[in-house]
Amino acid sequence: GQQLNQSPQSMFIQEGEDVSMNCTSSSIFNTWLWYKQDPGEGPVLLIALYKAGELTSNGRLTAQFGITRKDSFLNISASIPSDVGIYFCAGKNTGNQFYFGTGTSLTVIP
Amino acid sequence: EAGVAQSPRYKIIEKRQSVAFWCNPISGHATLYWYQQILGQGPKLLIQFQNNGVVDDSQLPKDRFSAERLKGVDSTLKIQPAKLEDSAVYLCASSPRLSGANVLTFGAGSRLTVL
Repeated sequence: GQQLNQSPQSMFIQEGEDVSMNCTSSSIFNTWLWYKQDPGEGPVLLIALYKAGELTSNGRLTAQFGITRKDSFLNISASIPSDVGIYFCAGKNTGNQFYFGTGTSLTVIP
Repeated sequence: EAGVAQSPRYKIIEKRQSVAFWCNPISGHATLYWYQQILGQGPKLLIQFQNNGVVDDSQLPKDRFSAERLKGVDSTLKIQPAKLEDSAVYLCASSPRLSGANVLTFGAGSRLTVL
């Protein structure tokens, strides 16, 4: 099965800083999703992207569907302590299977 | 709307024992997925159902894992016999349809520890 490459693997930032993370694949996807997972919980959807080049915001979060359809980016502006968690990207292929990235662990220092 | 329900939340067994996990998807969701998430990794797809039919089970270790969704609603994932490397969180997710603009909604997961 396919697993997407996410970077960075972990981030330690000061509260108020902006965060950027990205996800790359060797295959083309027709949907990109970004999830956040808190300890002991299932992933929760943050943003969904359906078209190449699409830029979508959800509050302080902004994500983009790469033009090549092989990558996606997530930005978090003005981070706060509750942003702590693991962020996963997921891509859906033409076979309607969803594959997940390796995760980015975010720590926000107050 | 009610979310994806999973049980049990936690299970500890010894190797070679069997275990079963249950999932009830969001009402009306046709597609159901089981993922395995090993500590420190992203979820890995095990099996995907569309109603009561299997769409993809290519990554399911069929010598020990089985899953069913007999009436096209809830689903059961079974492991028999369990191995140490099966220790993981088993996540169930559902989506309204197979294709098109679609997202996965996850349950809280069932954490399995194999001793």
